[in-house]
Parts: sequence; structure tokens; C-alpha cells
Amino acid sequence: DVKVTQSSRYLVKRTGEKVFLECVQDMDHENMFWYRQDPGLGLRLIYFSYDVKMKEKGDIPEGYSVSREKKERFSLILESASTNQTSMYLCATQQGGGGYTFGSGTRLTVV
Amino acid sequence: GQQLNQSPQSMFIQEGEDVSMNCTSSSIFNTWLWYKQDPGEGPVLLIALYKAGELTSNGRLTAQFGITRKDSFLNISASIPSDVGIYFCAGFLSGSARQLTFGSGTQLTVLP
Repeated sequence: DVKVTQSSRYLVKRTGEKVFLECVQDMDHENMFWYRQDPGLGLRLIYFSYDVKMKEKGDIPEGYSVSREKKERFSLILESASTNQTSMYLCATQQGGGGYTFGSGTRLTVV
Repeated sequence: GQQLNQSPQSMFIQEGEDVSMNCTSSSIFNTWLWYKQDPGEGPVLLIALYKAGELTSNGRLTAQFGITRKDSFLNISASIPSDVGIYFCAGFLSGSARQLTFGSGTQLTVLP
């Protein structure tokens, strides 16, 4: 089974801090995605990547950036954390046209 | 943005009851997927459907790919407390095999 590991389950950061959320997968999947999940808003796509060093904006990229230097690792960066970025962040991977495999999520609180 | 209408948004049912939820769209999908998300966890794939009319079961779960390719439903029979969670439908729009479109989720609560 594919394993998608998100580095932290819970994070508390201060407003203005630079925050790194890490996602690592162990099955050589090409495609990786970052979503945020908020009550009543469902899953919203932030950024995605189909290859190393490749990145594309999703539906809500403002305030975020990403990095994919190695195939197995896709990092989400909050350049200057704000309270409205308090959310559950989910990483997902995909190979070919198959369904997504999700990590367990990182619940980020910005105070 | 989201193009899937998932209903109901939430359900409260008694243990042992059957549950039905569905997703509809004005667009054609070539794959339908159903996920379950336990509290505090990421979504996990339950069932995948690849052909119009396909009916697939996974234990007490049954899902169907609508004939028009614009809808899908998920049934859970004889619900148990561990069925609690959020159920998401998702699909690949016709012509796309990379970006999933997600429904907004159905929050299921099972009362003992």
C-alpha cells in the first residue's frame, strides 16, 4: 500500500511565521496535491505537482507556495502565516489515472 | 471549483438503519470514487467506479455509477457506530484523469 506521511499531525504557529508542511510518499507516484479542508467548504485545492520541480496553482494558492525538489517530497509553505490559514491541510498522491491516496492531515492553528 | 452536488450534508441515523447518499452534476464524469474520512484523519478510498451503470459492493457498502454518467450513489446497510465520519464523492471529469472534483461531503452520525 502507498504510504503518504505528513510530518506533523498538529501545529501551532504565530501570525507572521514562515511555516513548512511536509509530505513524503513511498511509492514513486508522479502526482502530488495539497488541499485545505474547512467546515462547510469541503476540500479546496491549493497547489499540485505532476513532476519534480513542477508546480501548478490550484483554486486557492494565495498566501502559499510549494516546493518539489525530489519526487517523493512535496512541501507546502506559508510565507507569512495568518489566522485565516488555520485549517486542516491534506496531502494526496496519485499515479496515472487512479484515485488519490491521502495523508493523515496536519491540523494547523495560527494564533 | 466544485461541480459536484452531494446530499444530504448531514445525517443522524439509528444503529442498524440503512443509509443512502448521492452526488449529482451537470457534467459528465468518467470515474466516480467514494471516500470516507474518520475524525482527525485523511480520507480513505472506499469504492471506485469506472463504467456507466456499474454497481460495486465493498462489504456493507454499495455504490453505483449512474447511467447518464452525471451521478452516483452510495448505500450503507445495517449501519454500525464505526460508520461515523464524512463521506465524500469524487470524480474525474470526462477528458481528465489527474484532477479530482470533490463533493462537499456528507457528515454521518450513528446513534446507538
